[in-house]
Amino acid sequence: QQPVQSPQAVILREGEDAVINCSSSKALYSVHWYRQKHGEAPVFLMILLKGGEQKGHDKISASFNEKKQQSSLYLTASQLSYSGTYFCGTERGTSYGKLTFGQGTILTVHP
Amino acid sequence: GAVVSQHPSWVICKSGTSVKIECRSLDFQATTMFWYRQFPKQSLMLMATSNEGSKATYEQGVEKDKFLINHASLTLSTLTVTSAHPEDSSFYICSARWDTQDQETQYFGPGTRLLVL
Repeated sequence: QQPVQSPQAVILREGEDAVINCSSSKALYSVHWYRQKHGEAPVFLMILLKGGEQKGHDKISASFNEKKQQSSLYLTASQLSYSGTYFCGTERGTSYGKLTFGQGTILTVHP
Repeated sequence: GAVVSQHPSWVICKSGTSVKIECRSLDFQATTMFWYRQFPKQSLMLMATSNEGSKATYEQGVEKDKFLINHASLTLSTLTVTSAHPEDSSFYICSARWDTQDQETQYFGPGTRLLVL
Protein backbone atom coordinates (compact mmCIF):
# COMPACT_ATOMS: atom_id res chain seq x y z
CA GLN A 1 0.00 0.00 0.00
CA GLN A 2 1.34 3.39 -1.03
CA PRO A 3 2.56 5.67 1.79
CA VAL A 4 0.97 9.09 1.99
CA GLN A 5 3.13 12.17 1.73
CA SER A 6 2.20 15.63 2.91
CA PRO A 7 2.12 18.33 1.85
CA GLN A 8 1.69 17.74 -1.88
CA ALA A 9 3.60 20.89 -2.72
CA VAL A 10 5.64 23.53 -0.93
CA ILE A 11 6.87 26.90 -2.15
CA LEU A 12 9.72 28.52 -0.24
CA ARG A 13 12.09 31.45 -0.45
CA GLU A 14 15.78 30.77 -0.10
CA GLY A 15 16.72 30.37 3.53
CA GLU A 16 13.31 29.14 4.69
CA ASP A 17 12.65 25.74 6.27
CA ALA A 18 10.31 22.93 5.24
CA VAL A 19 9.08 19.61 6.61
CA ILE A 20 7.81 16.76 4.46
CA ASN A 21 5.94 13.91 6.08
CA CYS A 22 5.50 10.30 5.02
CA SER A 23 2.92 8.06 6.69
CA SER A 24 2.18 4.40 6.24
CA SER A 25 -0.77 2.27 7.31
CA LYS A 26 1.53 -0.74 7.68
CA ALA A 27 4.46 -1.48 9.98
CA LEU A 28 7.73 -0.42 8.39
CA TYR A 29 11.22 -1.89 8.35
CA SER A 30 12.89 1.14 6.81
CA VAL A 31 12.22 4.46 5.10
CA HIS A 32 14.26 5.78 2.19
CA TRP A 33 14.21 9.40 0.98
CA TYR A 34 14.95 10.49 -2.60
CA ARG A 35 14.92 13.76 -4.52
CA GLN A 36 14.07 13.84 -8.21
CA LYS A 37 14.64 16.82 -10.47
CA HIS A 38 12.57 17.27 -13.59
CA GLY A 39 13.52 14.81 -16.31
CA GLU A 40 16.08 13.02 -14.16
CA ALA A 41 16.17 9.87 -12.05
CA PRO A 42 15.70 9.98 -8.27
CA VAL A 43 18.80 10.63 -6.18
CA PHE A 44 19.24 8.85 -2.85
CA LEU A 45 19.27 11.16 0.18
CA MET A 46 19.17 8.88 3.20
CA ILE A 47 17.80 5.72 4.75
CA LEU A 48 16.35 5.30 8.23
CA LEU A 49 16.37 1.83 9.65
CA LYS A 50 15.39 1.98 13.26
CA GLY A 51 12.52 3.52 15.09
CA GLY A 52 13.60 6.81 16.58
CA GLU A 53 16.56 7.05 14.23
CA GLN A 54 17.51 10.49 13.01
CA LYS A 55 19.99 11.25 10.31
CA GLY A 56 21.22 14.24 8.43
CA HIS A 57 23.83 15.76 6.22
CA ASP A 58 24.29 19.36 5.25
CA LYS A 59 21.00 20.99 6.13
CA ILE A 60 18.77 18.03 5.29
CA SER A 61 17.81 15.62 8.04
CA ALA A 62 15.13 13.03 8.71
CA SER A 63 13.51 11.11 11.52
CA PHE A 64 11.66 7.81 11.72
CA ASN A 65 8.91 7.17 14.25
CA GLU A 66 8.36 3.44 14.08
CA LYS A 67 5.35 3.42 16.40
CA LYS A 68 3.52 6.04 14.40
CA GLN A 69 4.70 4.41 11.15
CA GLN A 70 5.87 7.70 9.79
CA SER A 71 8.96 9.59 8.79
CA SER A 72 9.68 13.27 8.35
CA LEU A 73 12.26 15.00 6.16
CA TYR A 74 13.53 18.37 7.41
CA LEU A 75 15.08 20.92 5.05
CA THR A 76 16.58 23.92 6.80
CA ALA A 77 17.87 27.15 5.31
CA SER A 78 16.73 25.97 1.90
CA GLN A 79 18.82 26.58 -1.19
CA LEU A 80 17.74 26.88 -4.82
CA SER A 81 19.28 23.46 -5.47
CA TYR A 82 16.78 21.87 -3.09
CA SER A 83 13.99 22.33 -5.63
CA GLY A 84 12.57 19.07 -6.94
CA THR A 85 10.12 16.32 -6.07
CA TYR A 86 10.81 14.44 -2.87
CA PHE A 87 9.73 10.82 -2.57
CA CYS A 88 9.72 8.56 0.43
CA GLY A 89 10.10 4.86 -0.24
CA THR A 90 8.95 2.50 2.45
CA GLU A 91 10.09 -1.04 3.01
CA ARG A 92 8.22 -3.62 5.02
CA GLY A 93 9.95 -6.47 6.79
CA THR A 94 8.40 -8.97 4.40
CA SER A 95 9.05 -7.09 1.18
CA TYR A 96 12.61 -8.33 0.57
CA GLY A 97 14.02 -4.96 -0.34
CA LYS A 98 11.09 -3.76 -2.43
CA LEU A 99 10.22 -0.12 -1.93
CA THR A 100 6.76 1.39 -2.25
CA PHE A 101 6.94 5.08 -3.06
CA GLY A 102 4.69 7.88 -1.93
CA GLN A 103 3.07 10.19 -4.44
CA GLY A 104 5.80 12.80 -4.02
CA THR A 105 6.07 16.32 -2.63
CA ILE A 106 6.99 19.10 -5.05
CA LEU A 107 9.35 21.59 -3.43
CA THR A 108 10.05 24.89 -5.17
CA VAL A 109 12.62 27.30 -3.79
CA HIS A 110 12.59 30.87 -5.10
CA PRO A 111 15.40 33.42 -4.77
CA GLY B 1 30.51 4.79 -5.42
CA ALA B 2 27.07 3.33 -6.17
CA VAL B 3 26.75 4.43 -9.78
CA VAL B 4 24.08 2.91 -12.00
CA SER B 5 23.90 3.46 -15.74
CA GLN B 6 21.09 2.89 -18.20
CA HIS B 7 21.19 2.62 -21.96
CA PRO B 8 19.71 4.03 -24.08
CA SER B 9 18.56 7.25 -22.45
CA TRP B 10 16.04 7.94 -25.22
CA VAL B 11 14.38 5.63 -27.68
CA ILE B 12 11.72 6.21 -30.31
CA CYS B 13 10.31 3.18 -32.04
CA LYS B 14 7.44 2.10 -34.25
CA SER B 15 4.46 0.25 -32.85
CA GLY B 16 5.01 -3.51 -32.91
CA THR B 17 8.77 -3.46 -32.50
CA SER B 18 10.73 -4.58 -29.45
CA VAL B 19 13.01 -2.37 -27.39
CA LYS B 20 15.79 -3.50 -25.05
CA ILE B 21 16.94 -1.35 -22.12
CA GLU B 22 20.12 -2.13 -20.21
CA CYS B 23 20.80 -1.37 -16.57
CA ARG B 24 24.34 -1.67 -15.21
CA SER B 25 25.82 -1.21 -11.75
CA LEU B 26 29.22 0.29 -12.53
CA ASP B 27 31.13 0.06 -9.27
CA PHE B 28 29.33 -2.55 -7.22
CA GLN B 29 27.68 -5.92 -7.63
CA ALA B 30 23.93 -6.11 -7.41
CA THR B 31 22.19 -9.42 -6.89
CA THR B 32 18.90 -7.57 -7.01
CA MET B 33 17.78 -4.89 -9.42
CA PHE B 34 14.37 -3.31 -9.78
CA TRP B 35 12.51 -1.93 -12.77
CA TYR B 36 10.12 0.99 -12.38
CA ARG B 37 7.84 2.90 -14.66
CA GLN B 38 6.97 6.55 -14.13
CA PHE B 39 4.30 8.58 -15.90
CA PRO B 40 4.56 12.40 -15.97
CA LYS B 41 4.03 14.01 -12.58
CA GLN B 42 3.38 10.64 -10.96
CA SER B 43 5.20 8.40 -8.56
CA LEU B 44 7.46 5.46 -9.32
CA MET B 45 5.56 2.24 -9.91
CA LEU B 46 7.49 -0.96 -9.38
CA MET B 47 7.16 -3.32 -12.33
CA ALA B 48 9.40 -6.20 -11.34
CA THR B 49 12.26 -7.40 -9.20
CA SER B 50 15.20 -8.82 -11.11
CA ASN B 51 17.34 -11.42 -9.35
CA GLU B 52 20.68 -12.56 -10.71
CA GLY B 53 20.50 -16.13 -11.92
CA SER B 54 16.78 -16.60 -11.41
CA LYS B 55 13.45 -15.56 -12.85
CA ALA B 56 12.18 -12.07 -12.27
CA THR B 57 9.29 -11.45 -9.92
CA TYR B 58 6.58 -9.30 -11.47
CA GLU B 59 4.14 -7.02 -9.68
CA GLN B 60 0.44 -7.60 -10.03
CA GLY B 61 -0.88 -6.34 -13.34
CA VAL B 62 2.48 -6.37 -15.14
CA GLU B 63 2.57 -8.76 -18.10
CA LYS B 64 5.70 -10.87 -17.87
CA ASP B 65 5.51 -11.90 -21.53
CA LYS B 66 5.43 -8.27 -22.58
CA PHE B 67 8.16 -6.99 -20.28
CA LEU B 68 10.96 -9.55 -20.43
CA ILE B 69 13.64 -9.24 -17.78
CA ASN B 70 17.02 -10.92 -17.80
CA HIS B 71 19.59 -10.56 -15.02
CA ALA B 72 22.51 -12.31 -16.62
CA SER B 73 25.29 -11.10 -14.31
CA LEU B 74 25.81 -9.31 -11.01
CA THR B 75 26.16 -6.00 -12.84
CA LEU B 76 23.64 -6.20 -15.68
CA SER B 77 19.88 -6.48 -15.97
CA THR B 78 17.91 -5.95 -19.17
CA LEU B 79 14.28 -5.07 -19.77
CA THR B 80 12.82 -5.84 -23.18
CA VAL B 81 9.51 -4.29 -24.10
CA THR B 82 8.10 -6.66 -26.70
CA SER B 83 5.66 -5.62 -29.41
CA ALA B 84 5.58 -2.09 -28.07
CA HIS B 85 2.43 0.00 -28.37
CA PRO B 86 1.88 3.73 -27.84
CA GLU B 87 0.50 3.08 -24.34
CA ASP B 88 3.91 1.63 -23.39
CA SER B 89 5.44 5.09 -23.85
CA SER B 90 6.84 6.09 -20.48
CA PHE B 91 9.94 6.80 -18.40
CA TYR B 92 11.54 3.50 -17.38
CA ILE B 93 13.97 3.58 -14.48
CA CYS B 94 16.04 0.80 -13.02
CA SER B 95 17.62 0.65 -9.60
CA ALA B 96 20.28 -1.60 -8.17
CA ARG B 97 20.36 -2.67 -4.59
CA TRP B 98 23.64 -2.09 -2.80
CA ASP B 99 24.10 -4.16 0.35
CA THR B 100 26.64 -3.02 2.91
CA GLN B 101 27.19 -3.89 6.54
CA ASP B 102 25.26 -0.84 7.62
CA GLN B 103 22.43 -0.63 5.17
CA GLU B 104 20.76 -1.82 2.03
CA THR B 105 19.48 0.78 -0.35
CA GLN B 106 18.64 1.29 -3.97
CA TYR B 107 20.52 3.52 -6.37
CA PHE B 108 18.74 4.60 -9.51
CA GLY B 109 19.92 4.73 -13.08
CA PRO B 110 19.32 7.90 -15.12
CA GLY B 111 16.22 6.43 -16.76
CA THR B 112 15.14 5.66 -20.32
CA ARG B 113 12.42 7.61 -22.10
CA LEU B 114 10.49 5.42 -24.50
CA LEU B 115 8.21 6.88 -27.15
CA VAL B 116 6.24 4.43 -29.26
CA LEU B 117 4.75 5.89 -32.42
